[in-house]
Amino acid sequence: DAGVTQSPTHLIKTRGQQVTLRCSPKSGHDTVSWYQQALGQGPQFIFQYYEEEERQRGNFPDRFSGHQFPNYSSELNVNALLLGDSALYLCASGRWGEEETQYFGPGTRLLVL
Amino acid sequence: TQLLEQSPQFLSIQEGENLTVYCNSSSVFSSLQWYRQEPGEGPVLLVTVVTGGEVKKLKRLTFQFGDARKDSSLHITAAQPGDTGLYLCAGSVYGGSQGNLIFGKGTKLSVKP
Repeated sequence: DAGVTQSPTHLIKTRGQQVTLRCSPKSGHDTVSWYQQALGQGPQFIFQYYEEEERQRGNFPDRFSGHQFPNYSSELNVNALLLGDSALYLCASGRWGEEETQYFGPGTRLLVL
Repeated sequence: TQLLEQSPQFLSIQEGENLTVYCNSSSVFSSLQWYRQEPGEGPVLLVTVVTGGEVKKLKRLTFQFGDARKDSSLHITAAQPGDTGLYLCAGSVYGGSQGNLIFGKGTKLSVKP
């Protein structure tokens, strides 16, 4: 049983560019949440998707957008990249309406130069 | 704004010692999770505590949820080098969905042989 998978593992972009990160949830899970983890910090909630809709959003600008597909996989898009967007981007999956527990993927390390 | 304060921020001990990590907040959480994270990887779920006063044990790890659901502790008995890592606590807010986890900044534990 595959856990949460994310791609790519690492990415280098320059300021102003756009990036798309991908996540496949654990088998049997239907919600996907995205988090940003800066160096030395705990993860910060970006948004959550369920039934292909954004259900909750953290304190992130509109440059951060996402999508969930019918197979429950998800994408995180970041436009007009800033140096401060450099971080580990984590995807977590779970089951809607069940125990408040999430399983995380290995993350995508994004470096903005 | 809900905040989770973790202490200590850094901890370096010898193999065989005991330690306790604390997670405190002024907010009430419906549940609290503890994760361990290795460098460059995603957080791995250790335990979820739901009931005020609940105590859960996982081998040498003991987790406690405060009676008022505002704080939690993680105690490790006879620490081993394999326990080295970043320990994160994360809370789910009452009335929120499972997607919005609030994380502490973490406790970086180093266990020397």
